[in-house]
Amino acid sequence: DARVTQTPRHKVTEMGQEVTMRCQPILGHNTVFWYRQTMMQGLELLAYFRNRAPLDDSGMPKDRFSAEMPDATLATLKIQPSEPRDSAVYFCASAGGGETQYFGPGTRLLVL
Amino acid sequence: AQKITQTQPGMFVQEKEAVTLDCTYDTSDPSYGLFWYKQPSSGEMIFLIYQGSYDQQNATEGRYSLNFQKARKSANLVISASQLGDSAMYFCAMRGYNQGGKLIFGQGTELSVKP
Repeated sequence: DARVTQTPRHKVTEMGQEVTMRCQPILGHNTVFWYRQTMMQGLELLAYFRNRAPLDDSGMPKDRFSAEMPDATLATLKIQPSEPRDSAVYFCASAGGGETQYFGPGTRLLVL
Repeated sequence: AQKITQTQPGMFVQEKEAVTLDCTYDTSDPSYGLFWYKQPSSGEMIFLIYQGSYDQQNATEGRYSLNFQKARKSANLVISASQLGDSAMYFCAMRGYNQGGKLIFGQGTELSVKP
């Protein structure tokens, strides 16, 4: 049963610390998305990659957020320095040749 | 600009009955896709059903069907024979083909199934 995996599932950190979230897309999927979910903003796209190349990161605060795909099996989202307003659930999703994006279980981030 | 509107923040349905969750959309893209996702209390996002804007027939997946009315710009989800496990948040989403791979989500509808 192919699934998107994300680590860590939960993260509590203090303001100013670096946070790195990892995602393993479904094998063979060439498009990877990062979304953030908050009560106030709902689900919003932060960035996405196709064939490991960044296509759109307009939803991401550039001063503190960065997203990369070191290889086809790993995508990372980094926040440095983290702030309390970054507290949210961060989802990774992947898509193959079809329309559907399959989501990972999410990383619940709390920045104190 | 693209927009998804879900006007029902919360709904109740009796077990074994059918329920319709509303979704309207706005887009200037001539071609687009519409999706529904389920988010149970555990937090994961589960894909339910997809409808392409040029599909002639309404999409169906088991107990889920999508009532697509293009002229009205609506894409309502119908769940037949509700089960207790259907209690969750449901999100409608859209992808415009001129918008890259980006999904735009509605605010969600919380469905509670009563025994």
